[in-house]
Amino acid sequence: SQQGEEDPQALSIQEGENATMNCSYKTSINNLQWYRQNSGRGLVHLILIRSNEREKHSGRLRVTLDTSKKSSSLLITASRAADTASYFCATRTNTNAGKSTFGDGTTLTVKP
Amino acid sequence: NAGVTQTPKFQVLKTGQSMTLQCAQDMNHEYMSWYRQDPGMGLRLIHYSVGAGITDQGEVPNGYNVSRSTTEDFPLRLLSAAPSQTSVYFCASSSGTGPQETQYFGPGTRLLVL
Repeated sequence: SQQGEEDPQALSIQEGENATMNCSYKTSINNLQWYRQNSGRGLVHLILIRSNEREKHSGRLRVTLDTSKKSSSLLITASRAADTASYFCATRTNTNAGKSTFGDGTTLTVKP
Repeated sequence: NAGVTQTPKFQVLKTGQSMTLQCAQDMNHEYMSWYRQDPGMGLRLIHYSVGAGITDQGEVPNGYNVSRSTTEDFPLRLLSAAPSQTSVYFCASSSGTGPQETQYFGPGTRLLVL
């Protein structure tokens, strides 16, 4: 079964607005990673947040992690049309030899 | 570096046929894995390898075989294709098996089984 579940499944916003996506997971993790997938392409790693971290920034991306609620959020500020893609969270534990467990993703559409 | 490469990009098979999806990486990564992605869903792990000569099953291994004779290559074999195996297949690699390692993904192979 999937470890991560993203919410919402689809999100449509105007260029310049902020986009927030959420991810919930079921078991204890070592870290949580966010990936972007453009249509018809492979996944691109965006950011990794460790279980002992609460917030992390990378450019226009802000990721939070709440291990007590087993949830994470990805915020994209000042969105651009080029941000249109599907976004996936993936979790890793200490005992799974590096295997990642992916959620079903959030499809983001940014309208110009 | 070419990164992670996959061939073919697209393949159509008839039920019962067999084929091999190729994956290669030129980053000297020890860890390689195969995922499948069905429409509207995330990736599910099929098989993975922590180094040459070592492979293990993931979440959905049935109907697939893998081998890892070299560090660079990690082919995925479909033994007898079924319509349920219609999917997009992604290969990924990382430099280690530690949970902090970032995975690098190939562009994918779209497989249609009729």
